[in-house]
Amino acid sequence: IAGITQAPTSQILAAGRRMTLRCTQDMRHNAMYWYRQDLGLGLRLIHYSNTAGTTGKGEVPDGYSVSRANTDDFPLTLASAVPSQTSVYFCASSESTSGNYNEQFFGPGTRLTVL
Amino acid sequence: GQNIDQPTEMTATEGAIVQINCTYQTSGFNGLFWYQQHAGEAPTFLSYNVLDGLEEKGRFSSFLSRSKGYSYLLLKELQMKDSASYLCAVLDSNYQLIWGAGTKLIIKP
Repeated sequence: IAGITQAPTSQILAAGRRMTLRCTQDMRHNAMYWYRQDLGLGLRLIHYSNTAGTTGKGEVPDGYSVSRANTDDFPLTLASAVPSQTSVYFCASSESTSGNYNEQFFGPGTRLTVL
Repeated sequence: GQNIDQPTEMTATEGAIVQINCTYQTSGFNGLFWYQQHAGEAPTFLSYNVLDGLEEKGRFSSFLSRSKGYSYLLLKELQMKDSASYLCAVLDSNYQLIWGAGTKLIIKP
């Protein structure tokens, strides 16, 4: 792999179902992020991880959980999906969090529809 | 609260110059980023400013005034492929990026 990948590319999900969005990077970046992007709104941070083994809550964390067991992987789980979680989800990574080292590289995104 | 303001949409002509403005009010400031996002794709990095002044990179330049909470992205010699959304983002005191909603730039022949 080169860069950052996400799976699945798109998904239609019934409300109430559990879903994990996968994210993997091969750049050995310390920091990783999950965003959602909705029409007319900016990217909103869901959860982040500054380094393997640590995670933190972003602006809109409710209904989502993450884990960071190793440097490369940062899965996002929706425990019980609701229609308001219909969105495009982007995973991103950066070398670190400070200054220009916070240049974030984005995965191709997952388009999720919850019915 | 934290706020990033950009125009929602702008239109320009191929070959011309366009300036996209961004004003911000954030808790702390550790730099300002511009990203480009084509429809249906992921954002990609364009520029980073942390000191006042102009940073030039080919056809694209980015300006920052920290005292005014203001930045602009200047695109010269516009090409059709420049049709995209341009996202302004500020790194706040917690080293989290606060994103504007983006400016959709439409280039006409």
